[in-house]
Amino acid sequence: AQSVTQPDIHITVSEGASLELRCNYSYGATPYLFWYVQSPGQGLQLLLKYFSGDTLVQGIKGFEAEFKRSQSSFNLRKPSVHWSDAAEYFCAVGLSGGGADGLTFGKGTHLIIQP
Amino acid sequence: EPEVTQTPSHQVTQMGQEVILRCVPISNHLYFYWYRQILGQKVEFLVSFYNNEISEKSEIFDDQFSVERPDGSNFTLKIRSTKLEDSAMYFCASSEEWGTEDYEQYFGPGTRLTVT
Repeated sequence: AQSVTQPDIHITVSEGASLELRCNYSYGATPYLFWYVQSPGQGLQLLLKYFSGDTLVQGIKGFEAEFKRSQSSFNLRKPSVHWSDAAEYFCAVGLSGGGADGLTFGKGTHLIIQP
Repeated sequence: EPEVTQTPSHQVTQMGQEVILRCVPISNHLYFYWYRQILGQKVEFLVSFYNNEISEKSEIFDDQFSVERPDGSNFTLKIRSTKLEDSAMYFCASSEEWGTEDYEQYFGPGTRLTVT
């Protein structure tokens, strides 16, 4: 079965600093990869996704992520964080076999922004 | 922009009672999903629904759970006899056809279920 590891439970970053959130997955083939963000009291919003092609994908709110097959990683980055980026971030994988498959989520990384 | 809606936002029930959580997926979507998130834990897949039947379900989705699309717009999750451990945030999601570049699962805001 596939699994997703987000090794950092909490990350604190100063406003304006760069950010990298780590995600590793375990799956026999190349899965579909997603990053979602959850603000307090809100649902999950898709930041970006990787299906195939260019391994560096751009998302909303200035986020990007790079798929590295050799490291089974899909790390999320942002060059300069804003206070509004404080939220919970989830990496997720979906099997490439069809839309009926549910996503497998990591445990999430809680991002704290220091002024 | 179209969105997935869920009602109620918070449901409190007593152990052993039945609850129905309601969702209105995005209107042209074909796949529907339920997930749950126990407080402080990760989001977990429960079930997917396509073409008016369950497509996939996880080991969490036992006989106490059922899903239904009673009309053309609503998608419901029923828990027949709630247990304390069913307390969680329940998310509904929907998606278009798999395999397109626009594929993504759109999540609703969730229903917080508290079983006392």
